[in-house]
Formats: sequence, structure tokens, C-alpha cells
Amino acid sequence: KAGVTQTPRYLIKTRGQQVTLSCSPISGHRSVSWYQQTPGQGLQFLFEYFSETQRNKGNFPGRFSGRQFSNSRSEMNVSTLELGDSALYLCASSLVGTGGTYEQYFGPGTRLTVT
Amino acid sequence: KQEVTQIPAALSVPEGENLVLNCSFTDSAIYNLQWFRQDPGKGLTSLLLIQSSQREQTSGRLNASLDKSSGRSTLYIAASQPGDSATYLCAVSSNYQLIWGAGTKLIIKP
Repeated sequence: KAGVTQTPRYLIKTRGQQVTLSCSPISGHRSVSWYQQTPGQGLQFLFEYFSETQRNKGNFPGRFSGRQFSNSRSEMNVSTLELGDSALYLCASSLVGTGGTYEQYFGPGTRLTVT
Repeated sequence: KQEVTQIPAALSVPEGENLVLNCSFTDSAIYNLQWFRQDPGKGLTSLLLIQSSQREQTSGRLNASLDKSSGRSTLYIAASQPGDSATYLCAVSSNYQLIWGAGTKLIIKP
């Protein structure tokens, strides 16, 4: 079974631009979560989607948004990029139980550099 | 607000030693707890998941325990090898999100 895939793997953008990252979950997984990893803040939760609905959102500004499609693939968008948005963006997929998600499987990440 | 702490932040031991990594959390209302491994510049690899109703899980040389009442989990690595060198992260799951510790950077010296 194929793992979680993320595209692109590397991205360089300029301040003020916007960016869209893509995530394809493991087949059969309907929950997709996004996380940001930086040296200073560590891993932080961005949002989680299940059946095209956002069920939870982390403490990030409105410039960060996401969506999930009917085939469970997900995208996240960052508008008006800032230097501080440089990070590794990780996507995870999982099966869903009653009250929470089961084991989360992570993709390789997209490394975003903002100059 | 849930907070996850990992101690120590870094650990360097000779090959062959058994070692314990610690993870503590402030709110016992968790759905499960996962241990991950991250190699430099790479993504996250899931090592073990413990459901909130479980006390421990084992996989090969790894054993993870969970004590919800005291807000603690430990990851035990037996007979450490240089290939175990990585950063180990624990994360607790609640409300459809993972809340992370800062990790323990482990170096196993040959």
C-alpha cells in the first residue's frame, strides 16, 4: 500500500507570494492533518480534515487555510508569505475511531523556504 | 491547555546500552499517545501507538508504557545500536490533533 505523498518536496518563494501544498493520504484513510515544523517552535498542529470538513484548527493566522476533496486528498494554502513561514510542512493521514484518530502516518514533508 | 514535555533533550550513550526516554503530559484526557522517530532532514516514522486504555506496547527492541493517571510515558530501547541515532518525539492525541513534545536527540556511539 502506498504511503502518504506530498508535493512538492521543496519550494522557494518570495515574501508576499502565496503557496499551495498538496497531500495524498494512504488509500482508505479519510482523516488528513497538517503540521508545521520549525527549529524554534517544534511541531505545531495546523488543521485536520475528515470527509471534506475541518474538525479542528490550530492557532495560526487566517493566512493559513486548507481543504479536503471528496477523494480525501488535501491541500493547504498560505497567502502573503512571511519569512517566518519557512518550515517543514508535514501531512499525516489516519483511520478514524470514535472520538479521535488512530495511528497517524506521515508523508516526507514539503520544505518551504521564504526569501 | 495540554503541554507535552520530553526529558532529556539530548542523550549520548555507547552502543549496546539499554535506555529510557521520558514523556510527560499535563492533561490525562488523551485518546492515544504515539512515539515517533525523525532522522535529520527527514519526515516522521511512527514507532509505537498506545491507546488510552492500554498500559504498554512492544515492537522489537522497543517498549512503550503509558500511565495516564500520572501523565507519563516512557520509551525503552534495548541493546541500542548506532542506527538508533535520531530524534525521538512523543505526541498525545486529543480532539483530532497531535500535541507534541520537543523531542529527545539520541546519539549512539559505536
